[in-house]
Formats: sequence, structure tokens, C-alpha cells
Amino acid sequence: NAGVTQTPKFRILKIGQSMTLQCAQDMNHNYMYWYRQDPGMGLKLIYYSVGAGITDKGEVPNGYNVSRSTTEDFPLRLELAAPSQTSVYFCASRNGANVLTFGAGSRLTVL
Amino acid sequence: AQKVTQAQTEISVVEKEDVTLDCVYETRDTTYYLFWYKQPPSGELVFLIRRNSFDEQNEISGRYSWNFQKSTSSFNFTITASQVVDSAVYFCALSERSGGSYIPTFGRGTSLIVHP
Repeated sequence: NAGVTQTPKFRILKIGQSMTLQCAQDMNHNYMYWYRQDPGMGLKLIYYSVGAGITDKGEVPNGYNVSRSTTEDFPLRLELAAPSQTSVYFCASRNGANVLTFGAGSRLTVL
Repeated sequence: AQKVTQAQTEISVVEKEDVTLDCVYETRDTTYYLFWYKQPPSGELVFLIRRNSFDEQNEISGRYSWNFQKSTSSFNFTITASQVVDSAVYFCALSERSGGSYIPTFGRGTSLIVHP
């Protein structure tokens, strides 16, 4: 089925470790987004990309990095994980009608 | 200031009751898009509806209806005859142009609990 695939679904990190959350879409969408969801806070935009090679910061980019080498892939890298990065992360891509298709989410815990 | 305000954090109803979820937005753009997404207990986010700023017609889809009023900057969502399966967190979102791109901003969500 066409859609957005995120891996891993769950991960526990120790403080200071690094990791990459993978995101891939097969709908040929140019726009892709990374959000984090914290209880009661809605979804906050971390980074977004308007196409291969182009990325930009969202509302809460500190502690994260992204790259977009292909249209399909938009990985999110966490450097030096901190407890404040414990969250559920959602990747999404956007179609021409501005509708987002989300991945299933990645639950990250930093201890 | 929040661009999208969902003042109701949690709503609890009994099955078959009607319920309205409020959404108030803030934008200076004349062209923008409004959305509702549903997040059931399983955690995925599901698109429900999209409205552009030039289309104020209300919409009905089965038990769901949406009321868009530019005069009050509101885009409210009503579920008629609620069912237990409607239990979920509902997010209202605004997509407006920022630096040449449409950037979606979400409200904090309203948790709807429908009791049998």
C-alpha cells in the first residue's frame, strides 16, 4: 500500500546517544515534514522539506538534523539525545491539496 | 500566541449524544487551508476534512459535519449520534504560506471519550 513508512516504531536511548529515525514515502510527494507529539501539546513541527536537497527548520529544530537526498527519504537525526527528546515522532508527506499522510509514528524514550 | 486554538482539552459524552469540537484559528493570509485529523487510540493520524479559505460552505459526511465561519475564524466539527468508535483525539490544523511554502500548524487536540 502506498504511504509513509517510519522505522523504528519504538526505541530507547541513553542520554548522549545518537540515532536516526527513518522515513520513506512512495507517493512522489515533494513536501515532507517531521513532527513531535507530546501529551497535551499537539504536534510541533521540527523540520520540513520542499523537495530533494532542500530542508528548513520548523518550530522546534534544536537537537535535530535532517537531510533529503532523494524525494522518497527524509531521515531525522538526533544528536546527543536528551530526556527532553522523549516523544512520539511523526513523519508526513503532503499532496497537491495540502493534505498530509502520516507515518505510524516512532516512540522514543531517552533515559 | 497559538495560531490554532482548541479550547476543549477533553470532552466526555454518552453514546448517541451530539458533540461539537471547537477550533479557532488566527491568520493574516487570505489564502489558507483548514483541516481536521483524527487520532484513535491506536495512534495513527487520519485525515478527515480539508477546507480552503474561499469555500465557506458547510459540509456533511454521514454523522460528521463541519461549520466554517470566516467572520469568527472558526472551523467547528460536530459528530451527531456519537458512537464508542468516535473516541479519539481530534486535531484541527491550519496551513498558511510561510516563506513560499504552506506550513501546517496543529492545535493541541481535543480528546473525545464516548461512553457506551
